[in-house]
Amino acid sequence: NAGVTQTPKFRILKIGQSMTLQCTQDMNHNYMYWYRQDPGMGLKLIYYSVGAGITDKGEVPNGYNVSRSTTEDFPLRLELAAPSQTSVYFCASGVGTDTQYFGPGTRLTVL
Amino acid sequence: QKEVEQNSGPLSVPEGAIASLNCTYSDRGSQSFFWYRQYSGKSPELIMSIYSNGDKEDGRFTAQLNKASQYVSLLIRDSQPSDSATYLCAVMVTGGGNKLTFGTGTQLKVEL
Repeated sequence: NAGVTQTPKFRILKIGQSMTLQCTQDMNHNYMYWYRQDPGMGLKLIYYSVGAGITDKGEVPNGYNVSRSTTEDFPLRLELAAPSQTSVYFCASGVGTDTQYFGPGTRLTVL
Repeated sequence: QKEVEQNSGPLSVPEGAIASLNCTYSDRGSQSFFWYRQYSGKSPELIMSIYSNGDKEDGRFTAQLNKASQYVSLLIRDSQPSDSATYLCAVMVTGGGNKLTFGTGTQLKVEL
């Protein structure tokens, strides 16, 4: 049982490039989330999904897109990367009102 | 704006002492409360969850919730150097995706 996995672990992008952060969970959780964490800050919710085919915006969605075609996968797409998107990105999954389980994170730098 | 407030610290305690971490929240509709521990460069991991007023104990950790005062705390007894980390308070309003709102975290340093 791998839990929540994320790829890549690290990435450097140039301004204007695009990329997809991958997230997979093997716990059959309906709920999945994408957060970003800036240095010294708490986690901010970017997008979330309550099940396959259903996604919604969180607190900071601008510059990002998501899709949820399967229960297991919840990729995050960055279009036209900007320096303000330099951050650590965490994917999480959960069941109902119980806790959320976090992946190891992707450290992204936009230069 | 739903907010979760924590003192950023650092909070320094000697080894073996009790560490007390505090958190206040603004949304009275909040129903689930969590404490996560985050080591530097790592992802958050759940320490405690609490859903009703009062105390909940798990080993050296005790979570306390007072919904009337909109206050949740975490006590760590017999603090160890391995407890040195950032502790994130998170609050959930049930429904609408069960989203968590996080505080900015309190850095705890346990000194030998």
